[in-house]
This record gives sequence, C-alpha cells and structure tokens, in this order.
Amino acid sequence: QQPVQSPQAVILREGEDAVINCSSSKALYSVHWYRQKHGEAPVFLMILLKGGEQKGHEKISASFNEKKQQSSLYLTASQLSYSGTYFCGTANTGNQFYFGTGTSLTVIP
Amino acid sequence: KAGVTQTPRYLIKTRGQQVTLSCSPISGHRSVSWYQQTPGQGLQFLFEYFSETQRNKGNFPGRFSGRQFSNSRSEMNVSTLELGDSALYLCASSLGAGPVTDTQYFGPGTRLTVL
Repeated sequence: QQPVQSPQAVILREGEDAVINCSSSKALYSVHWYRQKHGEAPVFLMILLKGGEQKGHEKISASFNEKKQQSSLYLTASQLSYSGTYFCGTANTGNQFYFGTGTSLTVIP
Repeated sequence: KAGVTQTPRYLIKTRGQQVTLSCSPISGHRSVSWYQQTPGQGLQFLFEYFSETQRNKGNFPGRFSGRQFSNSRSEMNVSTLELGDSALYLCASSLGAGPVTDTQYFGPGTRLTVL
C-alpha cells in the first residue's frame, strides 16, 4: 500500500526542471508532498485533495490524477535549496496514510 | 508560535528494555501522528491521536503504543525493544482533521538506537 515514487534519484543543474511521480494501487482521497533535507524533519510542500482543491506554496506546482491514483510534483528553475528527499504521502478513503518510497533530488551549480 | 518539540532527541537502549518518547504539538493543534523512519523502510505511519483517542493506526506490532493527554501532548511507548526498532521517530501535529487532509508539521525527531 506504500505508494511508489519515480525516479528514485535525480541530479539537476541549477535552473533545470524536474518532475517527481507518485503512484498508488489504492483509490486516493488526498496526496501530500513533503521535502526532507539531510538531518532535518520533513517540511510540508503541498496537499492535493480529491475534487481538485490544492493547498501549498505558490512556487510549487503539482497535479493529481484521481482516476489513475497518480500525482506529479513539478519543480521548475531549480535552485540549490531544492536539494533533498521528496516524499509523497497518500491517504485513502479508509483514512490510512502512507508515505512514498522517496526521491532524492540533488541540484548542482 | 513554537514548533513541534520532541524529547529526548537521542536515546540509546538495549534489547528487551522499554522506551517512552514525548511530543509537544504546536499550540492549538489537536492531532498528533507518529512515524518511524529507517533507511530501509522509509517513513512509516505508526498511529494518530486526536482528543486523547487513537483515531488511526498503522501496521505495527502491539509493542508500539501511544497516548495523548488533555493538553494534546503525546507519548509513544515501545516495549521489549528489538534491534530493528532502531530508527528516527518523528511526530507531527496538525490542527484537527488529521494527516488525511491537514498540513502536518513535523518535530525534529528522536533518534533511538537499540544495542
């Protein structure tokens, strides 16, 4: 039931774009995105709810395909500060919450 | 507002012992969730408490338990520690709806090492 993320790892140069995908085998009620830097706690980025509502940072964009149980996080014009591990979190209608496998993102100068 | 605080930050125990971890949520937050983070399994949901009641539970053995007090502070207990319990334990607080629809604010975690 743990959602699967892809890619597992990605290296970008500053200014490049990236897409991180999250896929679940269960019908989803919501998808959450968090970023965790090494040695720090995860930090909230965005929530996407069934029905189209979104809550999150203005500079972060994401999509939620309810029919396919998939979500994608779009990182544009990457900065060094974007480096970290990105986790999606999914909640199904049974109120079960699962974090994804994680995607390590490294931005280099 | 002060963030989520967790105590202690580091803990070393031996197999068979028990341990209690504490989490103080952001003021006004009534939901507290606990997670275990390991390199192999990633972030795994343990349980969530709201108004002193366990509202959701993950797939962990009964050795893992928790409780929440009337001031929303929460404790997590692990009995009969095993080597595999070595992990970073994170708690997260949210306003009330819980992890399904709320933004979660994570504490710095407690690093538990079992020898």
